[in-house]
Amino acid sequence: GESVGLHLPTLSVQEGDNSIINCAYSNSASDYFIWYKQESGKGPQFIIDIRSNMDKRQGQRVTVLLNKTVKHLSLQIAATQPGDSAVYFCADPIKAAGNKLTFGGGTRVLVKP
Amino acid sequence: ETGVTQSPTHLIKTRGQQVTLRCSSQSGHNTVSWYQQALGQGPQFIFQYYREEENGRGNFPPRFSGLQFPNYSSELNVNALELDDSALYLCASSLGGGGAFEQFFGPGTRLTVL
Repeated sequence: GESVGLHLPTLSVQEGDNSIINCAYSNSASDYFIWYKQESGKGPQFIIDIRSNMDKRQGQRVTVLLNKTVKHLSLQIAATQPGDSAVYFCADPIKAAGNKLTFGGGTRVLVKP
Repeated sequence: ETGVTQSPTHLIKTRGQQVTLRCSSQSGHNTVSWYQQALGQGPQFIFQYYREEENGRGNFPPRFSGLQFPNYSSELNVNALELDDSALYLCASSLGGGGAFEQFFGPGTRLTVL
């Protein structure tokens, strides 16, 4: 069945260090993934996406890696800043259902000064 | 460009009551999706509206219903409220009724059912 899950509920990271957030998926037919950031009191905000024909995609301070063999993707945040403190979700749009997003449970990133 | 807005911000209801939540989509978007986010969990898809028609529904009972208006704004109605309906309700707008992936989320309505 369709599911997207994350490995760790909370990640504590020192300011300036790199953060790595992991996500596993179970649907082999999934061909597109999105990472969202949700700050307290706000709705999820698009960070970066990746299609299944890519292994890696880079944005500003963020990189997403996709390993289709083990159905795993990760979000790397370089030089983590206090403003990066939030809950991060990976999501999998289901084309057959109007691109409804299937979210994992989220990883809370806490940035220590 | 106007972003996605939702009203009200917070709402407190009692069991058995009915509630209506509202969402204004981003300018130019014709699709609205509704999600329920329980505390500490990821959002769960409720349903989507495209050009005033329901276009996909998640695993929610019929007492969750919706509408989309000609200006593409939308309402989520929940009847016979239960304690477990307490959650953050998010709407997201997009363009294309399934053809475009990126969905832009509003800030949500926090519903508390007592």
